[in-house]
Amino acid sequence: DVKVTQSSRYLVKRTGEKVFLECVQDMDHENMFWYRQDPGLGLRLIYFSYDVKMKEKGDIPEGYSVSREKKERFSLILESASTNQTSMYLCASKATAGTVRTEAFFGQGTRLTVV
Amino acid sequence: RKEVEQDPGPFNVPEGATVAFNCTYSNSASQSFFWYRQDCRKEPKLLMSVYSSGNEDGRFTAQLNRASQYISLLIRDSKLSDSATYLCVVNSNSGYNKLIFGAGTRLAVHP
Repeated sequence: DVKVTQSSRYLVKRTGEKVFLECVQDMDHENMFWYRQDPGLGLRLIYFSYDVKMKEKGDIPEGYSVSREKKERFSLILESASTNQTSMYLCASKATAGTVRTEAFFGQGTRLTVV
Repeated sequence: RKEVEQDPGPFNVPEGATVAFNCTYSNSASQSFFWYRQDCRKEPKLLMSVYSSGNEDGRFTAQLNRASQYISLLIRDSKLSDSATYLCVVNSNSGYNKLIFGAGTRLAVHP
């Protein structure tokens, strides 16, 4: 089974702190994604990566950056956390495999609270 | 306009009912479509992929209408355990396998 693991289930950080959210997948997937999920807004794409060291902005990249130095790991960085970044963060990975008909697998989510 | 739009719900139905969800997408070049299920405080999990010819998995039937750019999910004989949020997902044809999620439709099945 594919496993996508996020480093923390719950995090509480202070405004202005630099925050790192880590995600690791064990299925050699090319594509990895970071979403945030807020009530009534669904999942919104922050950044995604389709290969090592490659990244693309999603719909709401402001205030975030990412790093993909190794294929299995995709990190989301909040450069200076703000209270409006309090949210559930979900990491996902999926294969390319020559077809777009591949499902995405999600980590268990990190509930981040910025105080 | 959002790329993927869903019925907002919530849908409150009795056990045994048939319920249908619709989803529309704006990018006509989209290639792949999925329904995910998300339980409260859990991560989304794939329910089923949606193929052009339509597909069925037990009590669940998914349909795709490319001309009208909508996807549907039909649940027959609803069970209490079907209570969840159902997410419509479209694979954007950007060349990067970018997945776009709808906001989700909440289903509550009651006895």
